[in-house]
Amino acid sequence: KAGVTQTPRYLIKTRGQQVTLSCSPISGHRSVSWYQQTPGQGLQFLFEYFSETQRNKGNFPGRFSGRQFSNSRSEMNVSTLELGDSALYLCASSLYGTNTGELFFGEGSRLTVL
Amino acid sequence: AQSVTQLGSHVSVSEGALVLLRCNYSSSVPPYLFWYVQYPNQGLQLLLKYTSAATLVKGINGFEAEFKKSETSFHLTKPSAHMSDAAEYFCAVSEVGNEKLTFGTGTRLTIIP
Repeated sequence: KAGVTQTPRYLIKTRGQQVTLSCSPISGHRSVSWYQQTPGQGLQFLFEYFSETQRNKGNFPGRFSGRQFSNSRSEMNVSTLELGDSALYLCASSLYGTNTGELFFGEGSRLTVL
Repeated sequence: AQSVTQLGSHVSVSEGALVLLRCNYSSSVPPYLFWYVQYPNQGLQLLLKYTSAATLVKGINGFEAEFKKSETSFHLTKPSAHMSDAAEYFCAVSEVGNEKLTFGTGTRLTIIP
């Protein structure tokens, strides 16, 4: 069974640009959640989508947005990039949702903002 | 609000020695508790979970954790460390009715040959 796939794995952007990251969950999983991982802040929850609806959102500015498609694939977008957005962005899929804790993570998309 | 504290951002143990990684939680309702492991350049992988059944939980790779309500702890242990255990370990908590999983800041485990 294929795991969670995130693309791209690495990318470099400059301040002010925008970026879109993609996540394909495990087949049959309807929940996709996104996390930002940095050395200083650890893992911070961005948002969760379940059956195309945003079910929960973390404390991030409106520049961070996401969506989920009918096939459960998800994208997150960051507009007007700042240096502090440099991080590893992890996507996780789950059959029932994040509160069950049984999340399956992708390898992440490492974003560097110059 | 739920929260997790992991004591010790870095832990070093000798190969063959006991591994003990500490996790304390705060939750207003009975929690679900988890340990995840992250190897370099990879995502997180679930090691084990506690969901109100047996308080001693066994996971993959010989790890186990014990839920102690009186101490609000969920420490991770392994009797004998192996070089392949070198990784970062995250404790996490969720609550029934709260659609969110909260992670600790992680503990980096180093194994000394």
